[in-house]
Amino acid sequence: EADIYQTPRYLVIGTGKKITLECSQTMGHDKMYWYQQDPGMELHLIHYSYGVNSTEKGDLSSESTVSRIRTEHFPLTLESARPSHTSQYLCASTSSGSDSPLHFGNGTRLTVT
Amino acid sequence: LAKTTQPISMDSYEGQEVNITCSHNNIATNDYITWYQQFPSQGPRFIIQGYKTKVTNEVASLFIPADRKSSTLSLPRVSLSDTAVYYCLVGGYYTGGFKTIFGAGTRLFVKA
Repeated sequence: EADIYQTPRYLVIGTGKKITLECSQTMGHDKMYWYQQDPGMELHLIHYSYGVNSTEKGDLSSESTVSRIRTEHFPLTLESARPSHTSQYLCASTSSGSDSPLHFGNGTRLTVT
Repeated sequence: LAKTTQPISMDSYEGQEVNITCSHNNIATNDYITWYQQFPSQGPRFIIQGYKTKVTNEVASLFIPADRKSSTLSLPRVSLSDTAVYYCLVGGYYTGGFKTIFGAGTRLFVKA
């Protein structure tokens, strides 16, 4: 029943490459988020967006950047991947209500060699 | 921002009720308490959310005492398919933006 889609599911890439992780949602949600999760660890917010043309940094500092040109699309880009970027990246969205729960995609597991 | 603390792991048997407690001593007035379930290689899935007192839905109950410094997720009659990691989340929107604190998760293992 996934209404939020992330591609690719798995990505192995060499150091120095530029990568973009895709995230799209079909629920018409205004707010979107990126979380980073290392295996067996908690989730950390790295970026979020209130809506089109809005991007904000989250609690955890990240070298990645995001853009929000369309409501349904919230891609994350790493200009030059490094082994320290190896992690799982989870995209989420919420509707406008302040108490709306997060709807997550299934994540992209990134490995930088 | 509230820090959350959960037990690292719990074991149970099929058919039993499981209660997982999360401590969040510094919870703010604006914060909601939300619980998620996560299976391997998947994103977290929403279970239940509350602000105070008790909330019940078709899969779980959430108990929140008056001081809101803790919350307890109750799963009635667990099955093998409930084996997963359960996360407590505290957070919400503030004047300065959006903040969330996920706990480290409780690994529930349900045995036959």
